[in-house]
Amino acid sequence: GAVVSQHPSRVICKSGTSVKIECRSLDFQATTMFWYRQFPKQSLMLMATSNEGSKATYEQGVEKDKFLINHASLTLSTLTVTSAHPEDSSFYICSARIGRGVSTDTQYFGPGTRLTVL
Amino acid sequence: DAKTTQPNSMESNEEEPVHLPCNHSTISGTDYIHWYRQLPSQGPEYVIHGLTSNVNNRMASLAIAEDRKSSTLILHRATLRDAAVYYCILRDSYRHGGSQGNLIFGKGTKLSVKP
Repeated sequence: GAVVSQHPSRVICKSGTSVKIECRSLDFQATTMFWYRQFPKQSLMLMATSNEGSKATYEQGVEKDKFLINHASLTLSTLTVTSAHPEDSSFYICSARIGRGVSTDTQYFGPGTRLTVL
Repeated sequence: DAKTTQPNSMESNEEEPVHLPCNHSTISGTDYIHWYRQLPSQGPEYVIHGLTSNVNNRMASLAIAEDRKSSTLILHRATLRDAAVYYCILRDSYRHGGSQGNLIFGKGTKLSVKP
């Protein structure tokens, strides 16, 4: 099956620093990639959608200047959390979709990145 | 987006069948029903999806009511590895535009499997 990887799997950083998370589709080309955030004991919250070569579409309430998304190729998307603060500590999950967005398209999820901001 | 309603939690015994219900009374005619599950500290995993007919795959079966206002995910023999949060999601039809067919997660059903 299709595999999505994330790197790093876990990161601890100091408040005020920036952290970059990579998401790669290993054996397929993803037309669209998604970034989710999940706080403890809560469901996944969609942060943004990105298509290769174009600007990301952010969900309401998500600061685009704080969460920078770059989708440089059909197999790689990055999420940079800029000037991270303790409230940004969360589980960040990416997913990738093959196809053009019809209802039958399956989304494949990465294993997640645990971010802890001290 | 059309909403789904699932029980917060369910318990099952190992090697017994599990029926996970989902209500979606406001489903539109072109919405597909998707099921994903999330094991602890992992990303979600695709389970199954369908439109009108019942569907089977190696992981599970999906039974869809005739009026499509509800569906049931069936795990035929639960194992300890099936303990997870199961999400029933209506997939926004691309043809209706706007949200690019995004997956919007609700709270899901936390399934516990007892040995």
